[in-house]
Amino acid sequence: DQQVKQNSPSLSVQEGRISILNCDYTNSMFDYFLWYKKYPAEGPTFLISISSIKDKNEDGRFTVFLNKSAKHLSLHIVPSQPGDSAVYFCAAKPFYGGYQKVTFGTGTKLQVIP
Amino acid sequence: GAGVSQSPRYKVAKRGQDVALRCDPISGHVSLFWYQQALGQGPEFLTYFQNEAQLDKSGLPSDRFFAERPEGSVSTLKIQRTQQEDSAVYLCASSANRTASGNTIYFGEGSWLTVV
Repeated sequence: DQQVKQNSPSLSVQEGRISILNCDYTNSMFDYFLWYKKYPAEGPTFLISISSIKDKNEDGRFTVFLNKSAKHLSLHIVPSQPGDSAVYFCAAKPFYGGYQKVTFGTGTKLQVIP
Repeated sequence: GAGVSQSPRYKVAKRGQDVALRCDPISGHVSLFWYQQALGQGPEFLTYFQNEAQLDKSGLPSDRFFAERPEGSVSTLKIQRTQQEDSAVYLCASSANRTASGNTIYFGEGSWLTVV
């Protein structure tokens, strides 16, 4: 049972354009959402997050949007750069206190074409 | 080094062989995670340590999988009698925080296990 879904396994975008990566989740207990970026032969690195009390969080070229009613979030990268080419994982966890494990999606491979 | 270090980076095991994968977390990090990432999939949680205590092992797929962190620093993931479905990248991650929010977790490069 895939609780975090990334339905697009790959995406190609021209340099300078917007990249939009989508993610859906099914578990209503999820309250905190994250995006990780992964280059080949490296571990995932944290990119940006959002809690359920917000519907948007922005960090430089990266913006994450959350639609709780639709259980959907998206990552926008503007403008896209060749160095953004990587696999992007959407992830989620409950936000209440104490340790809670992060549940990952299957990833979307982004290719930014120069 | 300053990051999470894992060894071996690559391991080829014959089916039925036992393997041990090592993780050196960032110095002083109290939280340590193991994840399994099969080809084309996202990381799947295996187990969590807070210092030397294994607080969650709900993700370990069978009793062939065993993890330990006896002194609260280095951790070892052991897989007994390996099977082909164990082929995956095994990721270790650590965090300075006990609550281990996702944005404070640092991943290692992974140990790539191939069972033939």
